[in-house]
Amino acid sequence: QKEVEQNSGPLSVPEGAIASLNCTYSDRVSQSFFWYRQYSGKSPELIMSIYSNGDKEDGRFTAQLNKASQYVSLLIRDSQPSDSATYLCAVRDGGSQGNLIFGKGTKLSVKP
Amino acid sequence: EADIYQTPRYLVIGTGKKITLECSQTMGHDKMYWYQQDPGMELHLIHYSYGVNSTEKGDLSSESTVSRIRTEHFPLTLESARPSHTSQYLCASSEWTAIGGTIYFGEGSWLTVV
Repeated sequence: QKEVEQNSGPLSVPEGAIASLNCTYSDRVSQSFFWYRQYSGKSPELIMSIYSNGDKEDGRFTAQLNKASQYVSLLIRDSQPSDSATYLCAVRDGGSQGNLIFGKGTKLSVKP
Repeated sequence: EADIYQTPRYLVIGTGKKITLECSQTMGHDKMYWYQQDPGMELHLIHYSYGVNSTEKGDLSSESTVSRIRTEHFPLTLESARPSHTSQYLCASSEWTAIGGTIYFGEGSWLTVV
């Protein structure tokens, strides 16, 4: 059973701080990794995708990937109350089906 | 930005009724999905399709059925709704590439069976 593990939280950070969200996965042949944000009662929306080892930055968001350690993370700089949401890590199944395997999500709370 | 449309957005129906949740996408994506998610809980893949006339069951067993007669349309049907079917149903689509395309979600359909 291929798995994606996330700390369920809640992770609480003060406004302006850096929020660090972590994710580990079991499928060694996975090539594609995604972070989604889901506000309560809403559908998931894509924040970032990352395919290569290293860092990928997009505004206040940085995704980090380490395939050797099977680890992917998301850093949110200058956290805002509007960032309060559940963050879902998703890893594409390396098998023929190619479906996304979602983690259970980490709930982030940014306190003003 | 993805264009995936789900209807109805909210529905309350009685036990035993037949219901079809509609999903359409305008991106020409080959692959489409249905996920089920209870409030505050994880996403579960219940159906997916690689293209026209393709339907596959997902990781979570579901009493619902799907069809894919047109690329852009992927409806989900419950023949006889039960209270245990109360949930949010999320339709999604993606391109189908060698490394896999990004999945985009619709706004979801909230189903309550009373």
